[in-house]
Amino acid sequence: ETGVTQTPRHLVMGMTNKKSLKCEQHLGHNAMYWYKQSAKKPLELMFVYNFKEQTENNSVPSRFSPECPNSSHLFLHLHTLQPEDSALYLCASSQDGSGGGTDTQYFGPGTRLTVL
Amino acid sequence: GQNIDQPTEMTATEGAIVQINCTYQTSGFNGLFWYQQHAGEAPTFLSYNVLDGLEEKGRFSSFLSRSKGYSYLLLKELQMKDSASYLCAVRDSNYQLIWGAGTKLIIKP
Repeated sequence: ETGVTQTPRHLVMGMTNKKSLKCEQHLGHNAMYWYKQSAKKPLELMFVYNFKEQTENNSVPSRFSPECPNSSHLFLHLHTLQPEDSALYLCASSQDGSGGGTDTQYFGPGTRLTVL
Repeated sequence: GQNIDQPTEMTATEGAIVQINCTYQTSGFNGLFWYQQHAGEAPTFLSYNVLDGLEEKGRFSSFLSRSKGYSYLLLKELQMKDSASYLCAVRDSNYQLIWGAGTKLIIKP
């Protein structure tokens, strides 16, 4: 059982396409995260939203554009991607994003993105 | 720089015990997490350690030594369903999670 859902689960796109990834959390959390996971590499934090405000942007190229309309929904808009952007994109949420106490992150199943 | 080290891959036998180590060098420490990730699925939270010592949760236990920058995840009575990747992550002084690359655990009958 997961309280974080992501769609689509798989996406194949060309370098000139525009697509969006969607994440929804049903846990009543206030912080949401986008991560990139490449094979045999650590999770790379891309963006953090806390109470709908972006609090972190880890030098992510502008071809990735996040949107957080409310605390339950998070989007990642993609345009003119490169083949090296092919990876698993994971969404996560946590109670308040402060990092205090455990503030455990709960993950969605991810979107497997392939850029041709 | 900040770094989390864990073995890339380990193999163990069903019914046995396996210990997955994690060493870290981070700017500050505000807790260590272990996650399990089955292929193609979400990472799921296993344990959290912020004080030295052993935390036991059923077949899984996690140990922390802050002075040594070291943790391990101990899995007992291994089952085939334990085949997965195990991710170690440390929260640094800025409350950012620093992730290891994960340890792929293969369980053989």
